[in-house]
Amino acid sequence: KQEVTQIPAALSVPEGENLVLNCSFTDSAIYNLQWFRQDPGKGLTSLLLIQSSQREQTSGRLNASLDKSSGRSTLYIAASQPGDSATYLCAVGSGANNLFFGTGTRLTVIP
Amino acid sequence: ETGVTQSPTHLIKTRGQQVTLRCSSQSGHNTVSWYQQALGQGPQFIFQYYREEENGRGNFPPRFSGLQFPNYSSELNVNALELDDSALYLCASSAGLAGSREQFFGPGTRLTVL
Repeated sequence: KQEVTQIPAALSVPEGENLVLNCSFTDSAIYNLQWFRQDPGKGLTSLLLIQSSQREQTSGRLNASLDKSSGRSTLYIAASQPGDSATYLCAVGSGANNLFFGTGTRLTVIP
Repeated sequence: ETGVTQSPTHLIKTRGQQVTLRCSSQSGHNTVSWYQQALGQGPQFIFQYYREEENGRGNFPPRFSGLQFPNYSSELNVNALELDDSALYLCASSAGLAGSREQFFGPGTRLTVL
């Protein structure tokens, strides 16, 4: 069974700092990896999707990388802002009909 | 383009009751997946509906059941509610099976079981 781990569980940084969130998974036979943002008590907003054949994806200040062989992905956030404060979840598409989630990293950006 | 919508937003039930949650998929999507998210945890896959049939199920008992309609909207039904069923229930739609396609999530339904 696919296991997804996110480190750290919580992170607090001053505004303007660059930061990296980590995601690891146990089974490298994946279709894709998706990063989501979740605000407290809300649904999930898709940030980036990386297909298994890709190495990275970029959207604005966000860059996600994927190393399938080592079972790792990172989400890089440049020049963090207070509005970036949220929980970030990674999810691995593994098997035709399932998405496996990590427990998330709770990010706080201090003004 | 309309995104994924869910109803109701919040729901309070007592133990032993039954509940039905609803989800409308994004335009052009034929697959709906349901997830349960307990407080402080990542979402857990309940099941997926593809072209009106269940196509994959997570580790949830049979009292969790669902339907998908010809317009690809979906219902999640939970019978004999237990206190541990209290959670945020998320619906996601995709243009194809959940594991291989990008998922788009609704805002969720917060269920509280007393």
